[in-house]
Amino acid sequence: DAGITQSPRHKVTETGTPVTLRCHQTENHRYMYWYRQDPGHGLRLIHYSYGVKDTDKGEVSDGYSVSRSKTEDFLLTLESATSSQTSVYFCAISSGPVGEQYFGPGTRLTVT
Amino acid sequence: AQSVSQHNHHVILSEAASLELGCNYSYGGTVNLFWYVQYPGQHLQLLLKYFSGDPLVKGIKGFEAEFIKSKFSFNLRKPSVQWSDTAEYFCAAVPNNNDMRFGAGTRLTVKP
Repeated sequence: DAGITQSPRHKVTETGTPVTLRCHQTENHRYMYWYRQDPGHGLRLIHYSYGVKDTDKGEVSDGYSVSRSKTEDFLLTLESATSSQTSVYFCAISSGPVGEQYFGPGTRLTVT
Repeated sequence: AQSVSQHNHHVILSEAASLELGCNYSYGGTVNLFWYVQYPGQHLQLLLKYFSGDPLVKGIKGFEAEFIKSKFSFNLRKPSVQWSDTAEYFCAAVPNNNDMRFGAGTRLTVKP
């Protein structure tokens, strides 16, 4: 398995609180992605990064922000969590923009 | 809207039965195609991929997929399923150097 870790693995938080999820890779891949997985929707891209400090929005970016200050870490922040952001969040990495992606173990986030 | 479609939401098979999961995409131009598998409680793992060349692609665990350009399809097959193949299967496409788009997934249950 690719060297990808996510933290925390589980989190319960209250509506309106800020939440930051971390993705850490040891593969030195340039591209990193954040997805959310919801039943009936598959995975949907939230944000992605194509290098340090280089990020762009995905399909469902509203309510989320990201930062990448070093190659190995990609942070996803929910500035003010809402119940609609209850989901499983997966980080992925790839060496190029059109190749296969390798996924982390996921973070289950519950917003009450 | 352009998309990836997986028409089977839940497939139930007995062990040794043959499997075919449908995947259709609606993008024109160059499309890279993937099948991922997600075992219960785990992250997505790559089964196989198609970029170009032989349209019949062989992947891990005895899976294969056939790219049919005229039908915009990339169906996943396995001649004889095992109980351990119980999982959710996702088709994904990277169209024209854009973001990876996933189908909604097909849940496969294999009865022993």
